[in-house]
Amino acid sequence: NAGVTQTPKFRVLKTGQSMTLLCAQDMNHEYMYWYRQDPGMGLRLIHYSVGEGTTAKGEVPDGYNVSRLKKQNFLLGLESAAPSQTSVYFCASSPLQGHQPQHFGDGTRLSIL
Amino acid sequence: EDKVVQSPLSLVVHEGDTVTLNCSYEVTNFRSLLWYKQEKKAPTFLFMLTSSGIEKKSGRLSSILDKKELFSILNITATQTGDSAVYLCAVDRGSTLGRLYFGRGTQLTVWP
Repeated sequence: NAGVTQTPKFRVLKTGQSMTLLCAQDMNHEYMYWYRQDPGMGLRLIHYSVGEGTTAKGEVPDGYNVSRLKKQNFLLGLESAAPSQTSVYFCASSPLQGHQPQHFGDGTRLSIL
Repeated sequence: EDKVVQSPLSLVVHEGDTVTLNCSYEVTNFRSLLWYKQEKKAPTFLFMLTSSGIEKKSGRLSSILDKKELFSILNITATQTGDSAVYLCAVDRGSTLGRLYFGRGTQLTVWP
């Protein structure tokens, strides 16, 4: 019963490097979301997707790109990492039907040096 | 600008105490308010509140929503060390996109 799985769990990057965070869900959910969580700031929405092949910007999209080529996967990319992107990143998903809470992955802790 | 404000930001109690966590909101097109518990990793869902005055209860935890005064409270009775966590409040603005707006959370520490 995996739910929402994020990889990797930890990563350290140098400024200017690129990387991709992967989120996979096995609940057949339509909606998927990427958040970042910083100390004292709560969770802030970066990008989201309402279905395969569609993405949209959230509150803090600058410096990130996303893709949803398959319904079960939602990728978050950092093209040129900056120290300000040091954070814990959470992926979440929710179903299309009805009014349902979001289910979260365990997070990816990313440090940019 | 939409706002979700939680108070207090941190709270330290002893086992057996009762605590009340607060969440106030100012959002357009309110649909529901959600409470999550976050320990080391993923936020886990506790309650979803859509109607005013109806208490949701699960064991020692309970929550109620006041849509007139725009706030919710989360009560935990007979606290245990396992209740130590960050409690997050989030508001769904009612769009079809299911976007949530989170407060900063309340860090609860329960000492034995």
